[in-house]
Amino acid sequence: SQKIEQNSEALNIQEGKTATLTCNYTNYSPAYLQWYRQDPGRGPVFLLLIRENEKEKRKERLKVTFDTTLKQSLFHITASQPADSATYLCALSRNDMRFGAGTRLTVKP
Amino acid sequence: DAGVTQSPTHLIKTRGQQVTLRCSPKSGHDTVSWYQQALGQGPQFIFQYYEEEERQRGNFPDRFSGHQFPNYSSELNVNALLLGDSALYLCASSWDRADEKLFFGSGTQLSVL
Repeated sequence: SQKIEQNSEALNIQEGKTATLTCNYTNYSPAYLQWYRQDPGRGPVFLLLIRENEKEKRKERLKVTFDTTLKQSLFHITASQPADSATYLCALSRNDMRFGAGTRLTVKP
Repeated sequence: DAGVTQSPTHLIKTRGQQVTLRCSPKSGHDTVSWYQQALGQGPQFIFQYYEEEERQRGNFPDRFSGHQFPNYSSELNVNALLLGDSALYLCASSWDRADEKLFFGSGTQLSVL
């Protein structure tokens, strides 16, 4: 069966450091991979989309990589700030969109 | 420009009851997807509606049904509620493309007692 794993339930880092979150998947061939941010009691908010034929995408302090051979995406937040503290979800899509369980990031001042 | 709106924000029901949740998509969007999010978990895909038809469905029983209206708004109905149906129900809208980013509402928190 299809599985999406975000292999850290929680990640704690110091302000100014780079946060790296991982998304692995099995039995799936996504056309697109997306990352969302979710704050408590709110719906997810779109951050970045990367297509299956792209290796890397950047947006301001955010960078995502996509390796379809390893079936893995890495999501980086550089120069992290306490305001970046949230749960980050990866989502894979071809005909519909399936989400991982998320990684809760805490950035400490 | 209003984003995705969901109602009600909170709901308390008892086992065996039925519930209807409502969603208005972002202006200009024609596709509505529903997700169930249990505490500490990622959103689980329930189904997607496009042109008033259910186009895709996740692994949810027939107790979960939906509808999309000509104005693209949508309803999620759950019959014979179980305790395990307690969750945050999220509605997301998009254009008719699988690659399009989803815009989510803030959800309806359903508690089944």
